[in-house]
Amino acid sequence: GDSVTQMEGPVTLSEEAFLTINCTYTATGYPSLFWYVQYPGEGLQLLLKATKADDKGSNKGFEATYRKETTSFHLEKGSVQVSDSAVYFCALFLPFSGSARQLTFGSGTQLTVLP
Amino acid sequence: NAGVTQTPKFQVLKTGQSMTLQCAQDMNHNSMYWYRQDPGMGLRLIYYSASEGTTDKGEVPNGYNVSRLNKREFSLRLESAAPSQTSVYFCASSDGTGGLWEQYFGPGTRLTVT
Repeated sequence: GDSVTQMEGPVTLSEEAFLTINCTYTATGYPSLFWYVQYPGEGLQLLLKATKADDKGSNKGFEATYRKETTSFHLEKGSVQVSDSAVYFCALFLPFSGSARQLTFGSGTQLTVLP
Repeated sequence: NAGVTQTPKFQVLKTGQSMTLQCAQDMNHNSMYWYRQDPGMGLRLIYYSASEGTTDKGEVPNGYNVSRLNKREFSLRLESAAPSQTSVYFCASSDGTGGLWEQYFGPGTRLTVT
């Protein structure tokens, strides 16, 4: 079945450090890929997305490139801030799959940024 | 524009009690979803409703029932709560067109079953 694997957390960085959170996927078709972010005490928010191979999604200084050859969608940011502390979820969506309309989520990576 | 709202925010139940979690969205979305979030397991889909009048099972439906009351509201019912249902529950919605995969989440309900 479809699945998403994220790097285990927690990740702790100092402010202005470079961030990478790894995400790889397994899917039988050609999925769309997403990063969602969950700030403390809140629901998930869409951070960025890519719908086909070699697309780069970007938002709020975060970037991720859809790599079909390595089945990966790693999240990066050049200089993290304390306000980026949150849980980050990688997810995939197959629009024509038998399970219809569900997102498949990774287990989440907790990021803490220290001042 | 409130987006997706959920009630209650917190709930403690004893084993065997029943309760209904309420969810409403004001974005005129066709599709609505219920997820549970457990440590180290990400979000898992319980039930979803592709459109008003339809519901389907997700990955972990056992012990739950749902009702799509109208286009705005989608409730989740626990008929006989069990400690394994201790979790954080999220409702989400999405439109049925080009943005189908972009789901908007509510703030969650933290449920403890003792």
